[in-house]
Amino acid sequence: DTGVSQDPRHKITKRGQNVTFRCDPISEHNRLYWYRQTLGQGPEFLTYFQNEAQLEKSRLLSDRFSAERPKGSFSTLEIQRTEQGDSAMYLCASSRRLDTDTQYFGPGTRLTVL
Amino acid sequence: SQKIEQNSEALNIQEGKTATLTCNYTNYSPAYLQWYRQDPGRGPVFLLLIRENEKEKRKERLKVTFDTTLKQSLFHITASQPADSATYLCALGMEYGNKLVFGAGTILRVKS
Repeated sequence: DTGVSQDPRHKITKRGQNVTFRCDPISEHNRLYWYRQTLGQGPEFLTYFQNEAQLEKSRLLSDRFSAERPKGSFSTLEIQRTEQGDSAMYLCASSRRLDTDTQYFGPGTRLTVL
Repeated sequence: SQKIEQNSEALNIQEGKTATLTCNYTNYSPAYLQWYRQDPGRGPVFLLLIRENEKEKRKERLKVTFDTTLKQSLFHITASQPADSATYLCALGMEYGNKLVFGAGTILRVKS
């Protein structure tokens, strides 16, 4: 396994701009999760996919947030009209079909909204 | 309300001692509990998983206990080393394959 990868690692944007993050899960992991983490807090669940189907979305995921996993492989998380409160680390994790309780996390994308 | 509480203050210990970290939860019924390590600016790294019907799990210098009556998990690192310094996160899983609910983490500092 090469590990979960995320791109970009850092993103600085101005308030009101749109941003998109990408996550590539571990090969053959069918579940993919997005979390958000702010300083001094643990990760908070945003949404998750099984293959290409989005199975659950948190109340934290406002209408400005959208996530996709079109072919059941990589996923994108888009934030429209960014606000300063969106500044956080966005973490992606994946898990295997036969071991769906262990989630393997990527390095995260650090978003700063000015 | 639902809560997960970990040691709110940093834990400072001397190299070679055993570090014990606590995770208490309220109004959750987890099917399993996990411990992760997180270094600054990096994603969490999985360490150990313990299921609701298990009392204790060990892996090398790590040991985790799970008491569903007390609603508490203890995480032990024996013979601690400065390299063990990090933030340790407790996470509850209500259903297998579903989301995790994390505590805020405990900062561990091991001094030589």
